[in-house]
Amino acid sequence: QQQVKQSPQSLIVQKGGISIINCAYENTAFDYFPWYQQFPGKGPALLIAIRPDVSEKKEGRFTISFNKSAKQFSLHIMDSQPGDSATYFCAASKGAGNNRKLIWGLGTSLAVNP
Amino acid sequence: ETGVTQTPRHLVMGMTNKKSLKCEQHLGHNAMYWYKQSAKKPLELMFVYNFKEQTENNSVPSRFSPECPNSSHLFLHLHTLQPEDSALYLCASGLLGVKEPQHFGDGTRLSIL
Repeated sequence: QQQVKQSPQSLIVQKGGISIINCAYENTAFDYFPWYQQFPGKGPALLIAIRPDVSEKKEGRFTISFNKSAKQFSLHIMDSQPGDSATYFCAASKGAGNNRKLIWGLGTSLAVNP
Repeated sequence: ETGVTQTPRHLVMGMTNKKSLKCEQHLGHNAMYWYKQSAKKPLELMFVYNFKEQTENNSVPSRFSPECPNSSHLFLHLHTLQPEDSALYLCASGLLGVKEPQHFGDGTRLSIL
């Protein structure tokens, strides 16, 4: 049972376009939602993260939109570039202290065509 | 340069072999993690160490044995592995009290023959 459902599995976007990746969760105990970017042959890198008390967070061309009532959050990549081609993972955290858990989505493979 | 270095990058071993994966970080972090990344599955947290003390073991089979001699180094000792253990093994580091890893290494691609 996936606690964090990510879609689409793969995405092809033209250079300059907007890439949108969506994630949904069920457990309202989640309180931190990071996105990771992974290039082939590399480990994931923390890209941007949001807490549920805000609806949007923007860092450069990357924006997280958060809809608490719908239990959904999404990553938008504006003006997508070929260098953005990577696998993107959403995740969600819950719990406290040593019981804190980070649950990952299955990833979205993004290809940006030049 | 990610700040977290893993060696070797690739490892092929038979099921009866014994090998070790090494991870090193010089970011001043005091939490270190081992993750397993397999195709079509979410990233799986295996072990967490805080200040050299193991604080989490996610029901990992005993054929995987972690070791954390200090807050900069982490090892994963492997013995009698199974074909389904073939995967990318990622080390990560972070700050104590922040359960979300901050920096990942580039992983060791492990293939079990």
